[in-house]
Order: sequence, then structure tokens, then C-alpha cells
Amino acid sequence: EDQVTQSPEALRLQEGESSSLNCSYTVSGLRGLFWYRQDPGKGPEFLFTLYSAGEEKEKERLKATLTKKESFLHITAPKPEDSATYLCAPWSSASKIIFGSGTRLSIRP
Amino acid sequence: DGGITQSPKYLFRKEGQNVTLSCEQNLNHDAMYWYRQDPGQGLRLIYYSQIVNDFQKGDIAEGYSVSREKKESFPLTVTSAQKNPTAFYLCASSIQSSTDTQYFGPGTRLTVL
Repeated sequence: EDQVTQSPEALRLQEGESSSLNCSYTVSGLRGLFWYRQDPGKGPEFLFTLYSAGEEKEKERLKATLTKKESFLHITAPKPEDSATYLCAPWSSASKIIFGSGTRLSIRP
Repeated sequence: DGGITQSPKYLFRKEGQNVTLSCEQNLNHDAMYWYRQDPGQGLRLIYYSQIVNDFQKGDIAEGYSVSREKKESFPLTVTSAQKNPTAFYLCASSIQSSTDTQYFGPGTRLTVL
């Protein structure tokens, strides 16, 4: 059965303190993976799509990487406005997308 | 501005009542989706539609119904058969298939009184 696990569930950082969020998965024939950001009470906002192992994408303070079994979202020198829940969603060769339960990131000023 | 709108933002339902959540998009996307989000869980797919007048059940379709009479609109009805409907409901759309980037609406929070 396809599964996705995000860790940690919650992460509190000081402003400027870099860290990484993990998304590990068991998916039959991984074809790609989405990363989304979700603010409380709002819909997810698209960040990145990754298609193959070794691929990296960057946007401002965020960089997403992909291996065969996991993806990382690295956040460099975060600011309070980066506080949100970050969701990953791999999809399989059967075009089935599975959303993780997210990592709730909090950045203290 | 192109985007996805959902209404209402908050909805309260009495037991035994059917309620309908609205979802409209002006992105000219063919595919539309309904997800349910509960605390501590990933988004779960309720129904999806890749073309007008056609839709398929997702993983948790029981107690829900949809229609797709227009490309822009994909309303979701939560029926009285749904035993635990309190949740945050999200509508999304994509150009064509589920593996195209999905863009989400702002959500509707449904509470059963």
C-alpha cells in the first residue's frame, strides 16, 4: 500500500535558524512529488513539483530535493512569515496522489 | 484574476440535513477535485471530475454526491448519510489530469451542530 510520512509533525525554529523537513514515502513507481504550503484556515498554495531523483528546485528561502525514497524541504535563514504547514504529495505510476499530514513550522522572531 | 472560489467559508449543518458546498473556477481547467481535511491527517480525495458530465469516486465518497454540469462549477453535497461530516473541505482544479499541478480554493469549514 502506498504511504507517505512527514517528519517532524511540528518544528519550532528561531528566526535565521536553518533546518530541513522530511517527506518519506513508499509509492509504486514514483512519478513525481508536489510540495505545498498551507496557512491556517486556508487552502494549500503550490510551491514545487519534482519529477526525478536528484532534482532540486528553489524559491526564495526554500529548496526542495528528491531521492528515490524521500524528499526534503530545506529552509535557509527562515523568517516569521515562513510559518505554515508544509505538505508533500507524491504520486505513483497509477496517477494516484497521496498527501502527507504535513509539518507545522513555526518561526519565532 | 484567475482562481478558485469556494462558498460559504463557514457552514453549519443540523443532523439529518443535506448541505451543498460551492466551488467555481475561472482557470479554464478541465479537472476538478474535492478533498476533505481533518486535523492530523492528509487530504483525502472525495470525488474528482476530468470532464463535464463525468465524475469518479475517490477514496471516501460515501455520504457525498457531486455534479459537473458546467466546466467552471463542481458543487459538493454532503448528505445525511455522511456520519461524521465536520471537517475542512477543499476544492481544487488542474489543467487536465490529477498529476498536473492542482490549485486549491480557500476552503469551507463545515460543522455539524
